[in-house]
Amino acid sequence: KAGVTQTPRYLIKTRGQQVTLSCSPISGHRSVSWYQQTPGQGLQFLFEYFSETQRNKGNFPGRFSGRQFSNSRSEMNVSTLELGDSALYLCASSLEGRDYGYTFGSGTRLTVV
Amino acid sequence: AQSVTQPDIHITVSEGASLELRCNYSYGATPYLFWYVQSPGQGLQLLLKYFSGDTLVQGIKGFEAEFKRSQSSFNLRKPSVHWSDAAEYFCAVGISNFGNEKLTFGTGTRLTIIP
Repeated sequence: KAGVTQTPRYLIKTRGQQVTLSCSPISGHRSVSWYQQTPGQGLQFLFEYFSETQRNKGNFPGRFSGRQFSNSRSEMNVSTLELGDSALYLCASSLEGRDYGYTFGSGTRLTVV
Repeated sequence: AQSVTQPDIHITVSEGASLELRCNYSYGATPYLFWYVQSPGQGLQLLLKYFSGDTLVQGIKGFEAEFKRSQSSFNLRKPSVHWSDAAEYFCAVGISNFGNEKLTFGTGTRLTIIP
């Protein structure tokens, strides 16, 4: 079966701009989680969506937001980009979330210049 | 709050040698424990997980891990490494709290294999 698909794979943006990243989960998976990976902070949880509702949120500023559509596809948005937002953004899907049966995508590499 | 410590930032082993990667966690209740591997430019692949039961867990690619509650540890082992095992390895803990599921990761251990 198809895995978790994240688009685009690479992105370069300028400070102050906004960006939208997309994640298509495995068919049938209703939970989508987002993680940020940086060399300095490591892997950090951003938020989780389940059935179009944000169920859990990490400790990130309000510039980071997300949503989930009825087909379980998810987007995350970062507004007013800062240099420190440069990171690999990973999406993970699972059937229910609480089963911890996560499958990760290959990520979107965001570079802010 | 839960936390994970991977004390070794970088480990180098010879091909064919045994491997042990260390992981210590902090969490008040029984944790869900995971080991993931990440190759350069890729996402995370689950190697194995522990929820309950037998404390020795077998995973993919010949890896195993042992949960030791008394030591708050979940070390990853492999009896004989292959060059293709070179990657970064992450230990993670998931809290068993309904409605608040998320993974907390350690900082990772980079594994280098020498011929």
